[in-house]
Amino acid sequence: ELKVEQNPLFLSMQEGKNYTIYCNYSTTSDRLYWYRQDPGKSLESLFVLLSNGAVKQEGRLMASLDTKARLSTLHITAAVHDLSATYFCAVDRWGSRLTFGEGTQLTVNP
Amino acid sequence: DTEVTQTPKHLVMGMTNKKSLKCEQHMGHRAMYWYKQKAKKPPELMFVYSYEKLSINESVPSRFSPECPNSSLLNLHLHALQPEDSALYLCASSQDQAGRSYEQYFGPGTRLTVT
Repeated sequence: ELKVEQNPLFLSMQEGKNYTIYCNYSTTSDRLYWYRQDPGKSLESLFVLLSNGAVKQEGRLMASLDTKARLSTLHITAAVHDLSATYFCAVDRWGSRLTFGEGTQLTVNP
Repeated sequence: DTEVTQTPKHLVMGMTNKKSLKCEQHMGHRAMYWYKQKAKKPPELMFVYSYEKLSINESVPSRFSPECPNSSLLNLHLHALQPEDSALYLCASSQDQAGRSYEQYFGPGTRLTVT
């Protein structure tokens, strides 16, 4: 059974600071997704990581994938309040069956 | 059009009611999904349709009945629900499903409350 663990589950940080969210998974997969969810809203796709060593950046967010270590990271640079949300990683089991991590609730304080 | 739409946005129903949730996409995707998301929890896969046929049922109770009338539409029929079924129901679609994986695009969700 595929398990996906995110940490931390709760993250409170100050504006302007950097931090990293970690996503570990238990079985082989070469496709990992990061989503953002605002309260009461749907999932917004942030990154699709398709292969070992993949690195993608969008604004203040950068995601990477190490399939050998079964680890993905979401790095936040110089956080701003607008980044406050819950971030999920999701790993593909097979045939587009996603298993989600528990989510990291990020709060960026002024 | 890169949008998945869902109706209604909110639904309140009694335990004896029958209602349906609707999902629509016009991206030419051939796989469609239903997820259930409880508050403060990740989405959980319920059903997958591939080429209008049910391909995955994640042991969902029979009070939830999916239907895929055509490649653009996905319904979820609800009957005799329990209060614990109250959740956000998300629909998603992807280019394909069988054999390999494609990015899933999520709709805005239907907030369901069972009284």
